[in-house]
Amino acid sequence: GAGVSQTPSNKVTEKGKYVELRCDPISGHTALYWYRQSLGQGPEFLIYFQGTGAADDSGLPNDRFFAVRPEGSVSTLKIQRTERGDSAVYLCASSLYGTDTQYFGPGTRLTVL
Amino acid sequence: SQQGEEDPQALSIQEGENATMNCSYKTSINNLQWYRQNSGRGLVHLILIRSNEREKHSGRLRVTLDTSKKSSSLLITASRAADTASYFCATDAPSGKLIFGQGTELSVKP
Repeated sequence: GAGVSQTPSNKVTEKGKYVELRCDPISGHTALYWYRQSLGQGPEFLIYFQGTGAADDSGLPNDRFFAVRPEGSVSTLKIQRTERGDSAVYLCASSLYGTDTQYFGPGTRLTVL
Repeated sequence: SQQGEEDPQALSIQEGENATMNCSYKTSINNLQWYRQNSGRGLVHLILIRSNEREKHSGRLRVTLDTSKKSSSLLITASRAADTASYFCATDAPSGKLIFGQGTELSVKP
Protein backbone atom coordinates (compact mmCIF):
# COMPACT_ATOMS: atom_id res chain seq x y z
CA GLY A 1 0.00 0.00 0.00
CA ALA A 2 0.99 3.66 -0.15
CA GLY A 3 3.52 4.91 2.32
CA VAL A 4 3.82 8.26 4.03
CA SER A 5 4.01 11.11 1.53
CA GLN A 6 5.24 14.64 2.02
CA THR A 7 4.91 17.73 -0.12
CA PRO A 8 6.73 19.64 -1.35
CA SER A 9 9.94 17.62 -1.58
CA ASN A 10 11.95 20.84 -1.65
CA LYS A 11 11.05 24.34 -0.54
CA VAL A 12 13.21 27.41 -0.91
CA THR A 13 12.00 30.57 0.77
CA GLU A 14 13.28 33.90 1.93
CA LYS A 15 13.91 34.90 5.51
CA GLY A 16 10.74 36.20 7.10
CA LYS A 17 8.31 34.33 4.87
CA TYR A 18 5.63 31.86 5.92
CA VAL A 19 5.75 28.20 4.82
CA GLU A 20 3.49 25.19 5.07
CA LEU A 21 4.68 21.61 4.83
CA ARG A 22 2.21 18.81 4.27
CA CYS A 23 2.20 15.19 5.41
CA ASP A 24 -0.11 12.38 4.26
CA PRO A 25 0.22 9.45 6.66
CA ILE A 26 -0.44 5.81 5.91
CA SER A 27 -4.19 5.26 5.75
CA GLY A 28 -5.59 4.15 9.08
CA HIS A 29 -2.62 5.24 11.16
CA THR A 30 -3.81 7.16 14.20
CA ALA A 31 -0.44 8.54 15.26
CA LEU A 32 1.51 11.14 13.29
CA TYR A 33 4.90 12.64 14.14
CA TRP A 34 6.97 15.52 12.84
CA TYR A 35 10.75 15.54 13.16
CA ARG A 36 13.45 17.91 11.98
CA GLN A 37 16.90 16.81 10.84
CA SER A 38 19.87 19.10 10.41
CA LEU A 39 22.89 18.11 8.36
CA GLY A 40 24.97 15.43 10.04
CA GLN A 41 22.52 14.97 12.89
CA GLY A 42 19.82 12.49 13.78
CA PRO A 43 16.17 13.54 13.52
CA GLU A 44 14.82 15.60 16.41
CA PHE A 45 11.23 15.33 17.56
CA LEU A 46 8.90 18.28 17.04
CA ILE A 47 5.29 17.22 17.66
CA TYR A 48 3.11 14.13 17.94
CA PHE A 49 -0.59 13.81 17.07
CA GLN A 50 -2.89 11.07 18.27
CA GLY A 51 -5.96 11.50 16.12
CA THR A 52 -6.73 15.19 15.75
CA GLY A 53 -5.09 16.37 18.93
CA ALA A 54 -1.47 17.20 19.67
CA ALA A 55 -0.49 14.68 22.33
CA ASP A 56 3.03 16.05 22.72
CA ASP A 57 4.30 19.32 21.26
CA SER A 58 7.32 19.61 23.53
CA GLY A 59 9.74 19.59 20.61
CA LEU A 60 8.46 22.69 18.85
CA PRO A 61 11.37 25.16 19.16
CA ASN A 62 9.28 28.33 19.57
CA ASP A 63 5.90 29.86 18.80
CA ARG A 64 6.78 30.40 15.14
CA PHE A 65 6.14 26.69 14.66
CA PHE A 66 2.62 25.30 14.62
CA ALA A 67 1.06 22.09 13.33
CA VAL A 68 -2.49 20.92 12.73
CA ARG A 69 -4.25 17.69 11.90
CA PRO A 70 -7.90 18.75 11.68
CA GLU A 71 -9.46 15.50 10.46
CA GLY A 72 -7.04 13.06 12.01
CA SER A 73 -5.32 12.25 8.73
CA VAL A 74 -3.33 14.86 6.79
CA SER A 75 -1.15 17.17 8.84
CA THR A 76 0.35 20.55 8.04
CA LEU A 77 3.42 22.00 9.73
CA LYS A 78 3.39 25.78 9.60
CA ILE A 79 6.41 28.00 10.14
CA GLN A 80 5.98 31.75 10.46
CA ARG A 81 8.68 34.40 9.93
CA THR A 82 11.20 31.81 8.77
CA GLU A 83 14.82 32.18 9.82
CA ARG A 84 17.97 30.79 8.20
CA GLY A 85 18.34 28.45 11.17
CA ASP A 86 15.06 26.76 10.21
CA SER A 87 16.78 25.25 7.17
CA ALA A 88 16.64 21.48 7.57
CA VAL A 89 14.88 18.36 6.34
CA TYR A 90 11.44 18.06 7.92
CA LEU A 91 10.36 14.45 8.30
CA CYS A 92 6.91 13.08 8.98
CA ALA A 93 6.16 9.62 10.32
CA SER A 94 3.04 7.67 11.15
CA SER A 95 2.27 4.59 13.18
CA LEU A 96 -0.80 2.51 13.73
CA TYR A 97 -1.27 3.13 17.44
CA GLY A 98 1.56 5.36 18.60
CA THR A 99 3.70 2.87 20.46
CA ASP A 100 4.80 0.74 17.55
CA THR A 101 6.89 1.04 14.42
CA GLN A 102 7.00 4.50 12.88
CA TYR A 103 7.09 4.72 9.09
CA PHE A 104 8.76 7.78 7.65
CA GLY A 105 8.05 9.86 4.59
CA PRO A 106 10.77 11.09 2.21
CA GLY A 107 10.97 14.47 3.91
CA THR A 108 10.77 18.09 2.82
CA ARG A 109 14.08 19.91 2.45
CA LEU A 110 13.50 23.50 3.57
CA THR A 111 16.06 26.14 2.64
CA VAL A 112 15.70 29.63 4.04
CA LEU A 113 17.81 32.19 2.19
CA SER B 1 18.48 16.84 22.92
CA GLN B 2 19.45 13.42 21.68
CA GLN B 3 19.56 10.42 23.92
CA GLY B 4 21.34 7.84 21.86
CA GLU B 5 24.92 7.76 20.84
CA GLU B 6 26.11 5.57 18.01
CA ASP B 7 29.57 4.21 17.78
CA PRO B 8 31.49 4.44 15.56
CA GLN B 9 30.47 7.67 13.85
CA ALA B 10 31.85 6.34 10.57
CA LEU B 11 32.74 2.86 9.40
CA SER B 12 34.37 1.81 6.14
CA ILE B 13 34.57 -1.86 5.18
CA GLN B 14 34.97 -4.09 2.14
CA GLU B 15 32.08 -5.89 0.53
CA GLY B 16 31.52 -9.28 2.15
CA GLU B 17 32.75 -8.18 5.57
CA ASN B 18 30.49 -7.80 8.58
CA ALA B 19 29.58 -4.38 9.96
CA THR B 20 28.82 -3.79 13.63
CA MET B 21 27.33 -0.58 14.96
CA ASN B 22 26.65 0.17 18.59
CA CYS B 23 24.13 2.40 20.30
CA SER B 24 23.95 3.56 23.88
CA TYR B 25 21.05 5.35 25.53
CA LYS B 26 20.30 6.95 28.86
CA THR B 27 16.76 6.28 30.09
CA SER B 28 14.45 3.29 30.36
CA ILE B 29 12.77 2.22 27.15
CA ASN B 30 9.85 0.16 25.89
CA ASN B 31 11.53 -0.62 22.61
CA LEU B 32 14.48 0.33 20.44
CA GLN B 33 14.39 0.68 16.68
CA TRP B 34 17.07 0.79 14.01
CA TYR B 35 16.62 2.86 10.86
CA ARG B 36 18.61 3.32 7.69
CA GLN B 37 18.86 6.56 5.73
CA ASN B 38 20.20 7.14 2.26
CA SER B 39 21.30 10.58 1.12
CA GLY B 40 19.81 12.44 4.08
CA ARG B 41 16.18 11.82 3.14
CA GLY B 42 13.53 9.37 4.36
CA LEU B 43 14.33 6.79 6.98
CA VAL B 44 13.67 3.12 6.32
CA HIS B 45 12.67 1.02 9.30
CA LEU B 46 14.93 -2.01 9.74
CA ILE B 47 14.01 -3.70 12.97
CA LEU B 48 12.28 -3.11 16.32
CA ILE B 49 13.40 -4.89 19.47
CA ARG B 50 11.36 -4.74 22.66
CA SER B 51 12.81 -4.22 26.10
CA ASN B 52 12.06 -7.82 27.08
CA GLU B 53 13.92 -9.21 24.06
CA ARG B 54 17.66 -9.77 23.94
CA GLU B 55 18.24 -10.61 20.29
CA LYS B 56 16.38 -10.38 17.02
CA HIS B 57 17.17 -11.36 13.46
CA SER B 58 15.90 -10.16 10.12
CA GLY B 59 17.65 -11.46 7.02
CA ARG B 60 21.29 -10.33 7.22
CA LEU B 61 20.56 -8.14 10.24
CA ARG B 62 21.08 -9.13 13.84
CA VAL B 63 20.18 -6.79 16.69
CA THR B 64 21.01 -7.28 20.34
CA LEU B 65 19.73 -5.35 23.33
CA ASP B 66 21.26 -5.18 26.79
CA THR B 67 18.95 -3.15 29.01
CA SER B 68 21.29 -3.45 32.01
CA LYS B 69 24.00 -1.66 30.04
CA LYS B 70 21.51 0.49 28.11
CA SER B 71 23.07 -0.51 24.85
CA SER B 72 22.21 -2.16 21.55
CA SER B 73 24.16 -3.37 18.57
CA LEU B 74 23.31 -3.84 14.91
CA LEU B 75 25.25 -6.42 12.94
CA ILE B 76 25.03 -6.55 9.15
CA THR B 77 26.53 -9.75 7.83
CA ALA B 78 28.05 -10.24 4.38
CA SER B 79 27.78 -6.54 3.59
CA ARG B 80 27.07 -5.25 0.11
CA ALA B 81 27.84 -1.94 -1.58
CA ALA B 82 24.10 -1.24 -1.45
CA ASP B 83 24.28 -1.26 2.37
CA THR B 84 26.14 2.05 2.21
CA ALA B 85 24.00 4.47 4.21
CA SER B 86 23.61 6.13 7.59
CA TYR B 87 22.22 3.96 10.37
CA PHE B 88 20.36 5.34 13.37
CA CYS B 89 19.10 3.83 16.57
CA ALA B 90 16.02 5.35 18.14
CA THR B 91 14.52 4.82 21.55
CA ASP B 92 10.95 5.56 22.49
CA ALA B 93 9.85 8.04 25.10
CA PRO B 94 6.63 7.45 27.07
CA SER B 95 4.59 9.53 24.64
CA GLY B 96 5.75 7.37 21.74
CA LYS B 97 8.09 9.92 20.22
CA LEU B 98 11.45 8.59 19.07
CA ILE B 99 14.76 9.91 20.31
CA PHE B 100 17.53 9.37 17.78
CA GLY B 101 21.27 9.17 18.05
CA GLN B 102 23.60 10.95 15.64
CA GLY B 103 24.02 7.89 13.46
CA THR B 104 26.78 5.75 12.04
CA GLU B 105 27.83 6.43 8.46
CA LEU B 106 28.61 3.09 6.83
CA SER B 107 30.59 2.87 3.61
CA VAL B 108 30.88 -0.53 1.93
CA LYS B 109 33.48 -0.60 -0.81
CA PRO B 110 33.04 -3.02 -3.72
